[in-house]
Amino acid sequence: SQQGEEDPQALSIQEGENATMNCSYKTSINNLQWYRQNSGRGLVHLILIRSNEREKHSGRLRVTLDTSKKSSSLLITASRAADTASYFCATQAGTALIFGKGTTLSVSS
Amino acid sequence: ETGVTQTPRHLVMGMTNKKSLKCEQHLGHNAMYWYKQSAKKPLELMFVYSLEERVENNSVPSRFSPECPNSSHLFLHLHTLQPEDSALYLCASSQESGGWGTDTQYFGPGTRLTVL
Repeated sequence: SQQGEEDPQALSIQEGENATMNCSYKTSINNLQWYRQNSGRGLVHLILIRSNEREKHSGRLRVTLDTSKKSSSLLITASRAADTASYFCATQAGTALIFGKGTTLSVSS
Repeated sequence: ETGVTQTPRHLVMGMTNKKSLKCEQHLGHNAMYWYKQSAKKPLELMFVYSLEERVENNSVPSRFSPECPNSSHLFLHLHTLQPEDSALYLCASSQESGGWGTDTQYFGPGTRLTVL
């Protein structure tokens, strides 16, 4: 069964605004990762947060993890048109990562 | 994207053709993966290789045949595909330290496959 489930499926914002995407999962995890994918291209790793961490920052990205609620959020601050992409959370299941369907973010200038 | 390369980037083939997708990683990793990404669906893990041995095969039809001749190269051999196999095929690699999936995966740009 699908492990990560992103919400919302699609998000449209203006440049300069913040974008928040959420991810829920079902089973215990060691870590949760966020990836980004530009249209029709490969995925790019953004950030990894371990199960014993609650918050992590990387540039304009802020990720939170709430293991009691089995959820994570990705916040992109001061968004830019170049942030337009699909964003996926991924959790470990067996020997590899399980990805959700992703959130499609559109940032207009 | 230069860490993991995939060729060809685009492929159109008929259902009776035989073709191969190639993936090469230049990162010194010990694990490689094939994923399938169809429209409106999550990435589907197809195969996992660790140290050139297949460690996972997620019920993939036999018309897809992977090959990992060494830790840097991964192939996906295709034969008698169906139109529903049209998708973006992504290769990834990682350096696994024993805790599977606990390390970052690095993806190639993908091969866009169209089966007529």
